[in-house]
Amino acid sequence: DAKTTQPPSMDCAEGRAANLPCNHSTISGNEYVYWYRQIHSQGPQYIIHGLKNNETNEMASLIITEDRKSSTLILPHATLRDTAVYYCIVLSNFGNEKLTFGTGTRLTIIP
Amino acid sequence: ETGVTQSPTHLIKTRGQQVTLRCSSQSGHNTVSWYQQALGQGPQFIFQYYREEENGRGNFPPRFSGLQFPNYSSELNVNALELDDSALYLCASSPLPDTQYFGPGTRLTVL
Repeated sequence: DAKTTQPPSMDCAEGRAANLPCNHSTISGNEYVYWYRQIHSQGPQYIIHGLKNNETNEMASLIITEDRKSSTLILPHATLRDTAVYYCIVLSNFGNEKLTFGTGTRLTIIP
Repeated sequence: ETGVTQSPTHLIKTRGQQVTLRCSSQSGHNTVSWYQQALGQGPQFIFQYYREEENGRGNFPPRFSGLQFPNYSSELNVNALELDDSALYLCASSPLPDTQYFGPGTRLTVL
């Protein structure tokens, strides 16, 4: 699976959009980009995934660049409950392969 | 909530003992994966079970073993516990092939 690079930490003001970047320059054509988050000491929570098109669900939007070498997770109106570690994961097939978690981005929402 | 449950929530054992952790997968999910998360690190893949057969294993010694039952629930067994086995143990279920959904985890402390 391709390796991902994320900033170790970010802050965002409550109510603003949080934009979390992820680089995955070695991604191959059949690999998906998945995002999970983990609130302190809880199990990781699935957020969203995509292959090449931008995706949106009730939690977030995922923007994937045309060359697929990077992506951005957008939380449109961040709340204090969005404070968590966010993991960007690239994996092949349909997401039932083993998940390889890196160090993620620790997002802190500031009141 | 994901519908994935784990028991117990917390557990304290002493070095050399054996432990069994349990996971009930979400209804309709036939695949269970187990992960170990040490303090301050991302989850690490232990192994995966699909329809009662092991379907992939990470870099863990044989004293980590598992089972999946006909109802797709699963057990993780760890023999000869070591201090470094202290961690949050996570299970994730999925309908092959699809996104993995995590349970809340079991916090194991080895003294």
